[in-house]
Amino acid sequence: DTGVSQNPRHKITKRGQNVTFRCDPISEHNRLYWYRQTLGQGPEFLTYFQNEAQLEKSRLLSDRFSAERPKGSFSTLEIQRTEQGDSAMYLCASSSTDRGNSYEQYFGPGTRLTVT
Amino acid sequence: QKEVEQNSGPLSVPEGAIASLNCTYSDRGSQSFFWYRQYSGKSPELIMSIYSNGDKEDGRFTAQLNKASQYVSLLIRDSQPSDSATYLCAVRSGGYQKVTFGTGTKLQVIP
Repeated sequence: DTGVSQNPRHKITKRGQNVTFRCDPISEHNRLYWYRQTLGQGPEFLTYFQNEAQLEKSRLLSDRFSAERPKGSFSTLEIQRTEQGDSAMYLCASSSTDRGNSYEQYFGPGTRLTVT
Repeated sequence: QKEVEQNSGPLSVPEGAIASLNCTYSDRGSQSFFWYRQYSGKSPELIMSIYSNGDKEDGRFTAQLNKASQYVSLLIRDSQPSDSATYLCAVRSGGYQKVTFGTGTKLQVIP
């Protein structure tokens, strides 16, 4: 399997701009997750898709954040009107229900967002 | 109380020694437990998963789970300098796919 890929790897944007990140999961993984990680903290759950359905969403996810997975393959995470507090590493992970260890999540390299 | 607690470290061990990393969790309904390794500036890498009480061994790594005590640990035998990283404990509660991470323990293996 090729691993989870994320693009871009780095993004610098000015406060108030919109940004969009893409995640391509491991092929045939039907579950996809987004996390955010800041320095010195563990990854923080944002949202989860099974196929194209968004099934879980963190209460911490403000309405400026939206995620999609329209065809059950790749996913996008959009942040509107970015704020300096959005600066973080955005991580995507995927897992499969077709294997015994269906809860094991495999992470992509992440997208590092800097809001100036 | 944090959902998943880890000592932030750093935990320093000499090369060749056993490193012991500990984690406690608050939700008694938790069903799946994971250890991830994260090098500085990189994303987390899955090392071990454990689902039932007892020990699970994989190479130099052993995960231990005690649900009654709400405690999970990771032992690294014959520690190498390349094991120097932050180790994240992660827990999945029953009925959810969401995984909650601890803040990680930084391990330093001294040559």
